[in-house]
Amino acid sequence: GENVEQHPSTLSVQEGDSAVIKCTYSDSASNYFPWYKQELGKRPQLIIDIRSNVGEKKDQRIAVTLNKTAKHFSLHITETQPEDSAVYFCAASYSGTYKYIFGTGTRLKVLA
Amino acid sequence: SQTIHQWPATLVQPVGSPLSLECTVEGTSNPNLYWYRQAAGRGLQLLFYSVGIGQISSEVPQNLSASRPQDRQFILSSKKLLLSDSGFYLCAWSQGLSYEQYFGPGTRLTVT
Repeated sequence: GENVEQHPSTLSVQEGDSAVIKCTYSDSASNYFPWYKQELGKRPQLIIDIRSNVGEKKDQRIAVTLNKTAKHFSLHITETQPEDSAVYFCAASYSGTYKYIFGTGTRLKVLA
Repeated sequence: SQTIHQWPATLVQPVGSPLSLECTVEGTSNPNLYWYRQAAGRGLQLLFYSVGIGQISSEVPQNLSASRPQDRQFILSSKKLLLSDSGFYLCAWSQGLSYEQYFGPGTRLTVT
């Protein structure tokens, strides 16, 4: 079936350093790729997304890149801050629908 | 602006008891609606989605069911809860032909 793999499962960085989370999808027809941030006990919040007709998108300290040929996309957070600590989920749209297939999540810890 | 509500926020139920969780969306019409379950420390599993009143698609076989009696109301039910039904239940909505999904605050269910 359709699958989204996400790595790493945990990531610790020093405050001010960059963090990169990578996802690989299996459905070549997927055309929308969102990223969600989930703080402990809270709902997932959409932080950035990218569509298949774009290779890169940036919003202040976060950016997402997409490589359609390789079927992978990545989240980049620069100048990390303690409040960036959370679990991050990637997702890919399921071909022909508006359903998502989610990755398994990355727990990011930013050390002060 | 659009708002999504879920209740109750927390629930403790014994094994074998029934369940009813409710989700409502304000500020939009004809949304797509989704039910997800998140086990402790795990990812997001899509349970049901709906593109309109009375239209429900089930993603995984289980003892749960969903209904959409009104345009902006989505209900998750069970006749007899299992221990494995414990988790964080999240409702989400998206606008018709849009991909972006927005999550409600969630219901934390503990089956004892």
